Amino acid sequence: EIVMTQSPATLSVSPGERATLSCRASQSVSSNLAWYQQKPGQAPRLLIYGASTRATGIPARFSGSGSGTEFTLTISSLQSEDFAVYYCQQYNNWPITFGQGTRLEIK
Amino acid sequence: EVQLVESGGGLVQPGRSLRLSCTASGFTFGDYAMSWVRQAPGKGLEWVGFIRSKAYGGTTEYAASVKGRFTISRDDSKSIAYLQMNSLKTEDTAVYYCTRAPGGYNSRWFDPWGQGTLVTVSS
Repeated sequence: EIVMTQSPATLSVSPGERATLSCRASQSVSSNLAWYQQKPGQAPRLLIYGASTRATGIPARFSGSGSGTEFTLTISSLQSEDFAVYYCQQYNNWPITFGQGTRLEIK
Repeated sequence: EVQLVESGGGLVQPGRSLRLSCTASGFTFGDYAMSWVRQAPGKGLEWVGFIRSKAYGGTTEYAASVKGRFTISRDDSKSIAYLQMNSLKTEDTAVYYCTRAPGGYNSRWFDPWGQGTLVTVSS
């Protein structure tokens, strides 16, 4: 099973600043990596797939990069609605696995 | 509008069974693979299982934690995916989400997600 490790567990950033979230895979997942946002009491929402392709309707301030084992989600200028928990997910191998999440909080 | 609505959750005793349903609308259900993902209270996301479209054989994949106890099926004529859960354990307590795999055969990212249904396994 591929283990996905996200860092940091909690990230405190001020509105308007840039946030950089990391996700590491225990073995290569090529570019088969997705990112999701989850707000309290809500279902997850797809942000990025294929490591760097924004899903439909996702603002351009969200960007994904990386391949192999190292991935990054960058939010260029944080808006109030961006404070949430973010998960990465690999779909290169079965079983599909998620990272443990990064909580993005207001500084 | 693409929509997924889960139903069937509730309180169940350990060892008993429960069947969840996911009713889809706004897209041609039979063309897509579907998946179930769960989230224990206060915890992260855990993938449960996956069912391919009939075009790819309608075959299934499961997480090791549920294999042999849970079964995913689909009724394309009704646009419903099912999760049959047998021999339930307390550690199966979670919100269960239904989600669609919108890409092709190797595209196993998930979008959209239903609102989830809570399953509580307790005596």
